[in-house]
Amino acid sequence: KAGVTQTPRYLIKTRGQQVTLSCSPISGHRSVSWYQQTPGQGLQFLFEYFSETQRNKGNFPGRFSGRQFSNSRSEMNVSTLELGDSALYLCASSLETGTNGKAFFGQGTRLTVV
Amino acid sequence: GENVGLHLPTLSVQEGDNSIINCAYSNSASDYFIWYKQESGKGPQFIIDIRSNMDKRQGQRVTVLLNKTVKHLSLQIAATQPGDSAVYFCAENYGQNFVFGPGTRLSVLP
Repeated sequence: KAGVTQTPRYLIKTRGQQVTLSCSPISGHRSVSWYQQTPGQGLQFLFEYFSETQRNKGNFPGRFSGRQFSNSRSEMNVSTLELGDSALYLCASSLETGTNGKAFFGQGTRLTVV
Repeated sequence: GENVGLHLPTLSVQEGDNSIINCAYSNSASDYFIWYKQESGKGPQFIIDIRSNMDKRQGQRVTVLLNKTVKHLSLQIAATQPGDSAVYFCAENYGQNFVFGPGTRLSVLP
């Protein structure tokens, strides 16, 4: 069974631009969560999607948004990029929503904002 | 790609020794905990989980201990190997999402 796939692996953007990251969960998993990982703040929860609906949201500004498609694939979008958005963005999938589980992570997308 | 920051607590262990990584969690209402391992350039990898109705759970070479009284979680790795070198995170379920600890870097010495 293929793992969680995130694309692209690396991305460089300039301030003010917007970016879209993609995540394909493990087959059969319906929950997709997004995290931001930075040296200063560690792993921080962005949001979770289940059955195309956002179930939970972390404490991030509205510039960060996401969506989930009927095949459970998810995208997250960051608009009006700031230097501080440079981070590793991780996607995790699990069978069910919330805490029932073991979440399996992708390798992440390394975003650099210049 | 580096995992996290340069100032993580670091535990250095001799190969073959046992490792104990500790984590203080924040919320007494948390009822589910997971330990993850993150190697350089990779996403976190599930190691072992434990629910709050248990004090101890064992896996292959790993044991997780939960002390709810002091909100403390530990991960014990038996016979530590070079491949165990990584950053280890605990995560607590609080509400509907997971909160991750800052991580501990485990360095295995030859």
